[in-house]
Amino acid sequence: DAKTTQPTSMDCAEGRAANLPCNHSTISGNEYVYWYRQIHSQGPQYIIHGLKNNETNEMASLIITEDRKSSTLILPHATLRDTAVYYCIVYGGTSYGKLTFGQGTILTVHP
Amino acid sequence: NAGVMQNPRHLVRRRGQEARLRCSPMKGHSHVYWYRQLPEEGLKFMVYLQKENIIDESGMPKERFSAEFPKEGPSILRIQQVVRGDSAAYFCASSPETANTEAFFGQGTRLTVV
Repeated sequence: DAKTTQPTSMDCAEGRAANLPCNHSTISGNEYVYWYRQIHSQGPQYIIHGLKNNETNEMASLIITEDRKSSTLILPHATLRDTAVYYCIVYGGTSYGKLTFGQGTILTVHP
Repeated sequence: NAGVMQNPRHLVRRRGQEARLRCSPMKGHSHVYWYRQLPEEGLKFMVYLQKENIIDESGMPKERFSAEFPKEGPSILRIQQVVRGDSAAYFCASSPETANTEAFFGQGTRLTVV
């Protein structure tokens, strides 16, 4: 079963930052936080991952709290093409090779 | 560098027929994963393979489903004697290793059983 909790849906205005929260209170020391998204019915797309430090790439930023029990994915300037289901996944430890997708957050970006 | 290639993109089979889904991982990737997404449901892990080995098949149905990743050629997910409940999108992903790395997904094969 997924070990993360995400809001079911969120809205964001185009051009604004989208902040997607995720709770993972049972995360263990050797598990990473991964984010993927699925646009319509396409294959999931990797966004970013981190262990304990904040991470940034060309797509997004990942902020992980100091106790690692929650994190936030930030899309700095959301566009209509960012409308998708966003999945926060705890990965690693004994579950290598198996991504457990929960229900994710449906992000809708409005004009 | 081409991404993960899955074919066919769409597959229609009559009940009782066999379905063979193919997945060519990204160049240099030796780890392949198969996931299934039933209509209006989330993605579910099926099986994890390395070259010539099944590492974890805990998500595979006990009957009719099998997977292989031969030394040469694509990974194959085979479904024998398909039933309507097998209709779903089947996604393949690959990675160069399992630890601290991302998996890249293909665009999926949409299987429809009529």
